[in-house]
Amino acid sequence: DTGVSQNPRHKITKRGQNVTFRCDPISEHNRLYWYRQTLGQGPEFLTYFQNEAQLEKSRLLSDRFSAERPKGSFSTLEIQRTEQGDSAMYLCASSPQQGQIEKLFFGSGTQLSVL
Amino acid sequence: DAKTTQPPSMDCAEGRAANLPCNHSTISGNEYVYWYRQIHSQGPQYIIHGLKNNETNEMASLIITEDRKSSTLILPHATLRDTAVYYCIVRVTGTASKLTFGTGTRLQVTL
Repeated sequence: DTGVSQNPRHKITKRGQNVTFRCDPISEHNRLYWYRQTLGQGPEFLTYFQNEAQLEKSRLLSDRFSAERPKGSFSTLEIQRTEQGDSAMYLCASSPQQGQIEKLFFGSGTQLSVL
Repeated sequence: DAKTTQPPSMDCAEGRAANLPCNHSTISGNEYVYWYRQIHSQGPQYIIHGLKNNETNEMASLIITEDRKSSTLILPHATLRDTAVYYCIVRVTGTASKLTFGTGTRLQVTL
């Protein structure tokens, strides 16, 4: 168990640029989540995959945001035409399917700064 | 999912028990109580969960009141490494899998 890996750890970009983050979940976990966290707030749910299927998307996920999980393994989160309000920590989590219990394992996140 | 209410901050002396309360007065019979914590610059970490019975694991104990309207997370011997934000979450079982985090309780463990 090597844990959930997120890359890059930090990303600085200029407004209007596109950015892509990668998440590698724990290998046997079939559920994968993306959250966003701003300073002083708890993580906010963005989207959720079960295997390669994207089953739920938050209203926070505007049309500039897209997430994929090809082949049900790693996932990418892309933000197009970044805005200063997109500056946040982007967290990825994975969980095994254990009946009705949700035990999420989080990565250390990607800190995005939009200048 | 039921809403939770937690104090914004608490202090605890190292070596003493830290008791973190959570109110969830609108909890339904099929909603579990989960606790996670987030140490600075890290992602949240699962601690414990329960439905109606008290639970204990290597990290903490969870005490749920008989009416299930509130719970307490107990760290029996707090250390400086337990300084973190602690989140109490209630979630309906068997539904779409997302956890909704509030703003949590910031626990400061001091010497």
